[in-house]
Amino acid sequence: EAAVTQSPRNKVAVTGGKVTLSCNQTNNHNNMYWYRQDTGHGLRLIHYSYGAGSTEKGDIPDGYKASRPSQENFSLILELATPSQTSVYFCASGDAGQYAEQFFGPGTRLTVL
Amino acid sequence: GDSVTQTEGQVALSEEDFLTIHCNYSASGYPTLFWYVQYPGEGPQLLFRASRDKEKGSSRGFEATYDKGTTSFHLRKASVQESDSAVYYCALRSYGSSGNKLIFGIGTLLSVKP
Repeated sequence: EAAVTQSPRNKVAVTGGKVTLSCNQTNNHNNMYWYRQDTGHGLRLIHYSYGAGSTEKGDIPDGYKASRPSQENFSLILELATPSQTSVYFCASGDAGQYAEQFFGPGTRLTVL
Repeated sequence: GDSVTQTEGQVALSEEDFLTIHCNYSASGYPTLFWYVQYPGEGPQLLFRASRDKEKGSSRGFEATYDKGTTSFHLRKASVQESDSAVYYCALRSYGSSGNKLIFGIGTLLSVKP
C-alpha cells in the first residue's frame, strides 16, 4: 500500500484563487517536505516540517504557506494562486539522518489559469 | 551553498546501449550522494546511495561510484532496456543539513528505443 498519498491528483485553479494541496503519510516519519518539479529546474524545496505543528521555509517559499496539523498530514496552501505556480507538486516524508531516504507521493498537477 | 550538476538534460538510446549520466557535486566534507528514478506518472524513488569515497552503489543493473577527488557520482548501466525510460535525479545531503534536506540536480530524461 502507498505510504505517501496526495490529493487532489489534478487541479485547475483560477488566478487569485486559494488552493490547498494535501499530503498524508503512514510511514510515521517526523520530517515531511513539499517540492515543485519544473523542466530545467528539477525538484525544488518549498517548505518542510520536523513534526506536528512545525513548518520551515525551503528554498522557494514565496507565495506558499504550509500547515502540519498532525504527524500524518502536511498541506501546501496557495492563498492567491498565480500562473507561475503552474507545476507538478510532490510531497515526501523521511527520517532524520544523513543517510535517510525520502519517500515521495505520486504528485499533484496544478494548472493556474 | 551545496549544489548538484547534471550536464545531460536528455539522453536518447537504443536497447542494449551503454548509459552514462554525469553528476558532479559541490559540498564540503562527505555528503551522502543519491540517485533517484522517476517513472512516468509516479513520484521519484530511491535507486541507491553512497556515503564514502570509492563506495559503489548499485541496483537493477545501474551503478555509480562515489569519487571525492573528482566530486562525481556518475550513473552507468551496461545495457539499457526500454523499461529504463524515466527521469533520473542525482541528489546530495550534507552532514547536519537543516531539515535533513536533499539537494537535487535538474534531472536527466532517458528515452530508450526498442
